[in-house]
Amino acid sequence: DTGVSQNPRHKITKRGQNVTFRCDPISEHNRLYWYRQTLGQGPEFLTYFQNEAQLEKSRLLSDRFSAERPKGSFSTLEIQRTEQGDSAMYLCASSLESRGRGDTQYFGPGTRLTVL
Amino acid sequence: AQKITQTQPGMFVQEKEAVTLDCTYDTSDQSYGLFWYKQPSSGEMIFLIYQGSYDEQNATEGRYSLNFQKARKSANLVISASQLGDSAMYFCAMRELNTGFQKLVFGTGTRLLVSP
Repeated sequence: DTGVSQNPRHKITKRGQNVTFRCDPISEHNRLYWYRQTLGQGPEFLTYFQNEAQLEKSRLLSDRFSAERPKGSFSTLEIQRTEQGDSAMYLCASSLESRGRGDTQYFGPGTRLTVL
Repeated sequence: AQKITQTQPGMFVQEKEAVTLDCTYDTSDQSYGLFWYKQPSSGEMIFLIYQGSYDEQNATEGRYSLNFQKARKSANLVISASQLGDSAMYFCAMRELNTGFQKLVFGTGTRLLVSP
């Protein structure tokens, strides 16, 4: 059973550049989530998709951030005009809508972004 | 607003001993789920155990058990027979089940070090 995969694993960019991350969820999972984790903190929710519909967005998701999930499969997270404060680990998770086990979210390995 | 508090920044335990990691939570929702995740230095969040607020018995998964005390709003993780590979960050998280929101809210984590 293939888990959640994310690419790239590491990204170093210069301030002001645009970056895009990709997440491939577990194949039968219809829900997909993006979180951001900075050093010494727990992950913070960014956004959530059910199939291709983006249903929740955090206030952390400024207008420089955009996420898509075309056809309800993989998802991309784009950050435009990156700032040093965007440096963080970006985690993707997926889940299968269900009443049991609270809709457990399974995480990928993350993409570590460093903005110079 | 939902909140997770983990008051132990770090814990030490000797191999083969049991250890308890503390987690308290705050929510106004009567129906919620509590989760524990392990994050090794590689960065991936690994799901360990789930407890629903209406579950009558404490959850167990192998060497992991959850000491759920609803009245005290605590959901402590107990790891029995610690192994060197248990050294990692551990995060407690919660999702409110009646609000329709899917986001997990995480605590700040506890770093566990297992010594030989």
